[in-house]
Amino acid sequence: DAGVIQSPRHEVTEMGQEVTLRCKPISGHDYLFWYRQTMMRGLELLIYFNNNVPIDDSGMPEDRFSAKMPNASFSTLKIQPSEPRDSAVYFCASDRTNTGELFFGEGSRLTVL
Amino acid sequence: QQPVQSPQAVILREGEDAVINCSSSKALYSVHWYRQKHGEAPVFLMILLKGGEQKGHDKISASFNEKKQQSSLYLTASQLSYSGTYFCGTESSGGYNKLIFGAGTRLAVHP
Repeated sequence: DAGVIQSPRHEVTEMGQEVTLRCKPISGHDYLFWYRQTMMRGLELLIYFNNNVPIDDSGMPEDRFSAKMPNASFSTLKIQPSEPRDSAVYFCASDRTNTGELFFGEGSRLTVL
Repeated sequence: QQPVQSPQAVILREGEDAVINCSSSKALYSVHWYRQKHGEAPVFLMILLKGGEQKGHDKISASFNEKKQQSSLYLTASQLSYSGTYFCGTESSGGYNKLIFGAGTRLAVHP
């Protein structure tokens, strides 16, 4: 079975540009999480969904960040406009209810110049 | 709210043992342990639910003391493959909730 699939793997953009990161969770998983990882802050939870519904977005840093999950097999994290401090590795993870085991994608490394 | 991990880094020779600690200021429902190798995604090791249980995964085991709001990860007879960063993640309410990770403990195992 395929794991969590993220795209793009690497993104280099200029400040002010819009960035869209994509995630396909594992089929049958009803929880989806977006994490951001930096050296300074470690793994930060940005937002998570249950059955496509956002449950907690308190970790989303600013209004520049938005996330959607239009269906069970797809989610996006959008940053508009992007800033250099948004540079990080963004991980998507999925989980099936009550297992407690997060399956992480390979991450999207974002560099904002 | 972020759990505190100690030590920040550990250097071992193959075959040596190590303990990584994780503590929280909040009452915990569960503790999760993950390992991340450089340039890769975190990988699940184990989950401990409140009840003071202890679990094992090969030569890696963990304990959870819910009264002290602490968990420890024990790595015995370390192998080169154990190198990486270990994260504890805590869940602080009953039922499924968000997982907050500690800052991580970097472990390097040398021959």
